[in-house]
Amino acid sequence: QKEVEQNSGPLSVPEGAIASLNCTYSDRGSQSFFWYRQYSGKSPELIMFIYSNGDKEDGRFTAQLNKASQYVSLLIRDSQPSDSATYLCAVYAGGTSYGKLTFGQGTILTVHP
Amino acid sequence: KAGVTQTPRYLIKTRGQQVTLSCSPISGHRSVSWYQQTPGQGLQFLFEYFSETQRNKGNFPGRFSGRQFSNSRSEMNVSTLELGDSALYLCASSLEGTGGNGYTFGSGTRLTVV
Repeated sequence: QKEVEQNSGPLSVPEGAIASLNCTYSDRGSQSFFWYRQYSGKSPELIMFIYSNGDKEDGRFTAQLNKASQYVSLLIRDSQPSDSATYLCAVYAGGTSYGKLTFGQGTILTVHP
Repeated sequence: KAGVTQTPRYLIKTRGQQVTLSCSPISGHRSVSWYQQTPGQGLQFLFEYFSETQRNKGNFPGRFSGRQFSNSRSEMNVSTLELGDSALYLCASSLEGTGGNGYTFGSGTRLTVV
């Protein structure tokens, strides 16, 4: 079992729709959870981070965390073509895992006009 | 506020050579982590430095090494390059490296080994 798994893609949604990206992790003690966006040929860009169970909203983005289910998700409302990218879920385990994020394989999102 | 600066952006090296990559973190950030990104393996953690000390290391051979200077700038070195070392090398900067406010990535160095 991979440490961090993301829903298989690619994911295609029409402009204006809600895109839902999901991620599960294996280390129950994980402390922090991140969503990065990576455009082709570019480096990952931090979109959101979440530490506590529940929802965290930032503009069109909502991150959801359920530690009991070891599940984290990202919702993108009113999706735009500019949201088309690879979305990476990353987990920080805590403890002595200094500086280490464990990444999922990424989900490719395409928003079509 | 300047971001994370990585140099050079692109490198082409021959098998057997060595290479040194540089990363300057965001001002005030003391933790620098290095990652390798390939299409097959995704993003994989190499190591992390904080206050000139390596605190964490991933599962890479000893050919991969690094260091950090007193101004928090970090370098990564790969010796005896292999074709499989071709990848995008990214450094990530954070305040303390403890998953606090997130990690900011530099633009990366694209290494091609021929």
